[in-house]
Amino acid sequence: ETGVTQTPRHLVMGMTNKKSLKCEQHLGHNAMYWYKQSAKKPLELMFVYNFKEQTENNSVPSRFSPECPNSSHLFLHLHTLQPEDSALYLCASSQDSNQPQHFGDGTRLSIL
Amino acid sequence: GENVEQHPSTLSVQEGDSAVIKCTYSDSASNYFPWYKQELGKGPQLIIDIRSNVGEKKDQRIAVTLNKTAKHFSLHITETQPEDSAVYFCAASIGNQFYFGTGTSLTVIP
Repeated sequence: ETGVTQTPRHLVMGMTNKKSLKCEQHLGHNAMYWYKQSAKKPLELMFVYNFKEQTENNSVPSRFSPECPNSSHLFLHLHTLQPEDSALYLCASSQDSNQPQHFGDGTRLSIL
Repeated sequence: GENVEQHPSTLSVQEGDSAVIKCTYSDSASNYFPWYKQELGKGPQLIIDIRSNVGEKKDQRIAVTLNKTAKHFSLHITETQPEDSAVYFCAASIGNQFYFGTGTSLTVIP
């Protein structure tokens, strides 16, 4: 059983669709993160949750909506995305802030 | 905010040689510096990390050095092997905020 599991691995959607990305961690960590990884750019931190509470929102457009129902699960709800939102979306978890982050293998998102 | 720069963007070495990747950061408040290895189709995997109260850390063939005064840190891989080929990312952290470099694509030539 891997530490951080993301589903689906690949997603193709139109700009008017609504979909959700799922992340689950089996490490007993208290913090979870969403990152966007685009070619030739640094990983961009999108959202941070500590003990299910959102503590960071790095100016992410409202078409991305996170949800953290418990400390093991994290969702990213997608609505009315743009072509520039095509990227690899990575989920990570850590025991606490300033601790090593463990990443999932990501969801490759393509917007048509 | 923090700005992390990473060099080189690509690096090719012969098997058995050493590889060095360098990063600089701008915010002296950064106090945790992890390095990640990302293979094709996979998420980044932590390979080594260092905190600001330590100058050097080693784990088998991998070592990291930190110069707080100059605000730079480096990854050293010795006796490189083909399976070391991947993209390597450095990061600097303040609390929950992690700032990543743009990555170094390392190729180890057999």
